[in-house]
Amino acid sequence: DTGVSQNPRHKITKRGQNVTFRCDPISEHNRLYWYRQTLGQGPEFLTYFQNEAQLEKSRLLSDRFSAERPKGSFSTLEIQRTEQGDSAMYLCASSPQGGYTEAFFGQGTRLTVV
Amino acid sequence: QQPVQSPQAVILREGEDAVINCSSSKALYSVHWYRQKHGEAPVFLMILLKGGEQKGHEKISASFNEKKQQSSLYLTASQLSYSGTYFCGTEFMMDSSYKLIFGSGTRLLVRP
Repeated sequence: DTGVSQNPRHKITKRGQNVTFRCDPISEHNRLYWYRQTLGQGPEFLTYFQNEAQLEKSRLLSDRFSAERPKGSFSTLEIQRTEQGDSAMYLCASSPQGGYTEAFFGQGTRLTVV
Repeated sequence: QQPVQSPQAVILREGEDAVINCSSSKALYSVHWYRQKHGEAPVFLMILLKGGEQKGHEKISASFNEKKQQSSLYLTASQLSYSGTYFCGTEFMMDSSYKLIFGSGTRLLVRP
């Protein structure tokens, strides 16, 4: 078990382009979270999966953001028509099923939109 | 929904103590504490569960007041390695699933 893995670690893209990030959670972790973090702020909730079901999507997200978790394993986060305001660190975390369990974070993907 | 943390920043000398507070307007099932160093992912420190159970770090203690939905993290005899940003995460039930939301963080700097 190598922990939560995120790829790529860094992404620089031009405004208007689409980007996709991948998260591989710890095996057998049913819950998977996506967060966005900007400098000096805490992780901001984006969306959440229980197995393959997306249970909630933050109202802060526009329709340009979409996430999937096919077969309840890895997850992808796609941002369409990127804007400069999308520049941030995108963090993925996973935890075992049920409440009262700690979340394990990946190293994140740092997105820079130029 | 976001918990409120205080203070926003703390500067200590090595060996001094600090308390970081976290409060929520939601009925909480648990409170998580994480530490993040610059350029790194948040690292789990401690979880406090409704009912009093705790799991976590040997040298860090915390409390959870279920009636007030407040938690405090106690850092005693601080070490240089304690420097970083501390986040509390509050876990609550929403739409039949647990949701984990983080505060905006408390920056801690420990100086020699």
